[in-house]
Amino acid sequence: TQLLEQSPQFLSIQEGENLTVYCNSSSVFSSLQWYRQEPGEGPVLLVTVVTGGEVKKLKRLTFQFGDARKDSSLHITAAQPGDTGLYLCASYGNKLVFGAGTILRVKS
Amino acid sequence: KAGVTQTPRYLIKTRGQQVTLSCSPISGHRSVSWYQQTPGQGLQFLFEYFSETQRNKGNFPGRFSGRQFSNSRSEMNVSTLELGDSALYLCASSRLGQGTEAFFGQGTRLTVV
Repeated sequence: TQLLEQSPQFLSIQEGENLTVYCNSSSVFSSLQWYRQEPGEGPVLLVTVVTGGEVKKLKRLTFQFGDARKDSSLHITAAQPGDTGLYLCASYGNKLVFGAGTILRVKS
Repeated sequence: KAGVTQTPRYLIKTRGQQVTLSCSPISGHRSVSWYQQTPGQGLQFLFEYFSETQRNKGNFPGRFSGRQFSNSRSEMNVSTLELGDSALYLCASSRLGQGTEAFFGQGTRLTVV
């Protein structure tokens, strides 16, 4: 089973700051998904990346897939309190495997 | 389009009891997967059902079981509850399962006392 490591585990920043969270694996990802989970809710899919070197943008969120497809990053520009939540990366083998997540808290 | 509905939202059970959780997927979705989420272990895959057949199973004891009905609704059952079974149980539906977008319900918060 593929293991996904996410860092940092916890991030607390002020509104307007930029941040990056990471997802790494010792083996190649077939595809990688990023989810955000708010308290009391289930995870919501943000993006799926498939191709090595791929970059996708979703408003203030930029997702990057490493050239070797063994790492990915999520960069948030000018974070807002509404970005607060648990950010999870996940990869499909024969099942969806999740990383432990990064808890992001954006203070106003 | 209605989302994934899980019932009940909250549940308190005593050790040794059993519990059944329900998940109604998005209309037209044939795959339903179940996950257990705890602070210590994160999100862990329990099993996936597709067209009433279990297609994949995670590393959980046999006390955890599930089924899927012809209308794609799914139930999971946990027998002989243990304190460590306290968790958020999440259900996700997708059209075809593996590799396709999964939509999660709000989960059932199970507390075993």
